[in-house]
Amino acid sequence: IAGITQAPTSQILAAGRRMTLRCTQDMRHNAMYWYRQDLGLGLRLIHYSNTAGTTGKGEVPDGYSVSRANTDDFPLTLASAVPSQTSVYFCASSALAGAQETQYFGPGTRLLVL
Amino acid sequence: GENVEQHPSTLSVQEGDSAVIKCTYSDSASNYFPWYKQELGKGPQLIIDIRSNVGEKKDQRIAVTLNKTAKHFSLHITETQPEDSAVYFCAARRSTNAGKSTFGDGTTLTVKP
Repeated sequence: IAGITQAPTSQILAAGRRMTLRCTQDMRHNAMYWYRQDLGLGLRLIHYSNTAGTTGKGEVPDGYSVSRANTDDFPLTLASAVPSQTSVYFCASSALAGAQETQYFGPGTRLLVL
Repeated sequence: GENVEQHPSTLSVQEGDSAVIKCTYSDSASNYFPWYKQELGKGPQLIIDIRSNVGEKKDQRIAVTLNKTAKHFSLHITETQPEDSAVYFCAARRSTNAGKSTFGDGTTLTVKP
């Protein structure tokens, strides 16, 4: 079982460019999440999806969009990247959207916006 | 919204000693408190969690305690080993927010051989 895979592993991006970070899980989990992790800080929720076909905004959604066309995939798009979006991005999933569900994290995508 | 504070930000212990990391939260409605370990270059991994209906939970060398009245919870690692070196994050979550966790800023634990 692969769990959660993210692509790319790392990326250097020019400001103003569009970028999609990919996330795929093979656990048939209903809920998926995108977090960003900045140096010295904890993870902050960007967007989430409780089930396929639905999405919601997290703590820091501005500048990002997501879609959930199916159970397995949850891509995160930066429409026009800015340097403040330089961060490590983690995708996570949980079997259900309940508050006490264990979240499983992917390996992360390291993004540098210049 | 929820605010989680984590202390200390860095912790260095000698192999075999105990390590304690503390977190406080602000939302009295939070009822689930997971702890994650993050190794260099990897995503966070759940190591233990506690629900608001219990005060303590133990799993081998790791334990978590919860004081709902004071709104704080702690991670205890006994008989530390070099492989325990990592960044540890606490988080708090409440039922009405589904899976949306608020994380502490992390503690970098170094276990010296």
